[in-house]
Amino acid sequence: KAGVTQTPRYLIKTRGQQVTLSCSPISGHRSVSWYQQTPGQGLQFLFEYFSETQRNKGNFPGRFSGRQFSNSRSEMNVSTLELGDSALYLCASSSSGGKTEAFFGQGTRLTVV
Amino acid sequence: DQQVKQNSPSLSVQEGRISILNCDYTNSMFDYFLWYKKYPAEGPTFLISISSIKDKNEDGRFTVFLNKSAKHLSLHIVPSQPGDSAVYFCAAHGSSNTGKLIFGQGTTLQVKP
Repeated sequence: KAGVTQTPRYLIKTRGQQVTLSCSPISGHRSVSWYQQTPGQGLQFLFEYFSETQRNKGNFPGRFSGRQFSNSRSEMNVSTLELGDSALYLCASSSSGGKTEAFFGQGTRLTVV
Repeated sequence: DQQVKQNSPSLSVQEGRISILNCDYTNSMFDYFLWYKKYPAEGPTFLISISSIKDKNEDGRFTVFLNKSAKHLSLHIVPSQPGDSAVYFCAAHGSSNTGKLIFGQGTTLQVKP
C-alpha cells in the first residue's frame, strides 16, 4: 500500500501571497488531518476532514483553510502569507480518525520570505 | 495549556541499554495514546499505540506503559540501537471519534555506539 503523499515537498513564497498544499491519504483512509510544526510551538493541529466534512478545527486564524474531495484527497490553503507561517506542514491519514493509528506524510516545508 | 507534556527535552543512552521516554497528560478524557519517531524535515513515523483499557502494549523492542491514575505513559526501547536516535513524540487523541492528535514537545534520543 502506498503511504501518505504530500506535494510539493518544498515551497518558497513571498509575504502576502497564498499557497495550496496537497495530501493524498492511504487508500481506504477517510480521515485526513493537518498539522503545523515549528521549532517554538511543536506539532499543532490545524484541522481534520472526514468524508469531505471538516470535523475538527484547531486554533489557527481563518487564513488557514482546507477541503477534502470525494476520493479523500485533501488540500490546505493559506492566504495572505506571513513570515510566521514558515513551517513544516504535515498531513496524517487514518481509517476513521478516532482511536486508531494516524500515518503521516513527509511534509511540505514552506518558507515565507 | 500544554495537555501533553514531555518534560525531558533530551536523553542519551549507550547502545544496547534501555531507553525510557516519559510523557504526562492532564486530560483524563484522553483514551488513546500513540508514540511517534521523527527525523528532521520528515514526517513522524508511527511506532506503537495503547488504549486506555490497557496498561501495557508491546511490539518488538518497543513497549508502552500506561498509568492512568498518574496520567503518565512511557516508552521503553530495549535494546537501544544507534538507528533509534531521533525525536520521539507522544500524542493523545483529543476527543473520541476524531483524528485530532495533541502532541507533546518531543524528546531527542541519542543512542551512542
